[in-house]
Amino acid sequence: GDSVTQMEGPVTLSEEAFLTINCTYTATGYPSLFWYVQYPGEGLQLLLKATKADDKGSNKGFEATYRKETTSFHLEKGSVQVSDSAVYFCALSDRQGAQKLVFGQGTRLTINP
Amino acid sequence: GAGVSQTPSNKVTEKGKYVELRCDPISGHTALYWYRQSLGQGPEFLIYFQGTGAADDSGLPNDRFFAVRPEGSVSTLKIQRTERGDSAVYLCASSRRDTSYNEQFFGPGTRLTVL
Repeated sequence: GDSVTQMEGPVTLSEEAFLTINCTYTATGYPSLFWYVQYPGEGLQLLLKATKADDKGSNKGFEATYRKETTSFHLEKGSVQVSDSAVYFCALSDRQGAQKLVFGQGTRLTINP
Repeated sequence: GAGVSQTPSNKVTEKGKYVELRCDPISGHTALYWYRQSLGQGPEFLIYFQGTGAADDSGLPNDRFFAVRPEGSVSTLKIQRTERGDSAVYLCASSRRDTSYNEQFFGPGTRLTVL
């Protein structure tokens, strides 16, 4: 079945550092890809998405590009802030049927001032 | 506007007891999903409703788990004869399903602890 593998955490960076969180997927079809974020004490929120190959999703300074050839959707940000501390989940959704989300295990990110 | 709400926020029960978890989706969202998130893991799909019917229940782990959505809005996840392994955060999400990417909006979850 479909699956998502994320870079294991936790990840600790200093403010203004460059961030990459790796994500690769296995899917039989052509899924849509997502990054969700869970801030402390809050629910899961959609951070960004890409629905087809070579699409770039972006939001709040974060970016991720749908790479079909490497089955990857790595999350990047050029300069992280303390407020980016959260747990990040990569996910995919089949375009057909239930369109349920399949999540990676999550990566906890801590940014120190 | 109001988001997805779930009640209770926390539920502690004893092994063997019956529990009900409630989800109120965003008004007008026809699709509703239940997921389960164990500690240190990503959410795992349980069941999907389109309107009142369970269109995909392939993620329910066994027949102790059941969910309903009788009027196409509020949903209840029911767990019979709870086991310690059922302890997790149960998440509900809803969506409009009228876009190409089906953005799902999540509730804060119900943390279930089975003693």
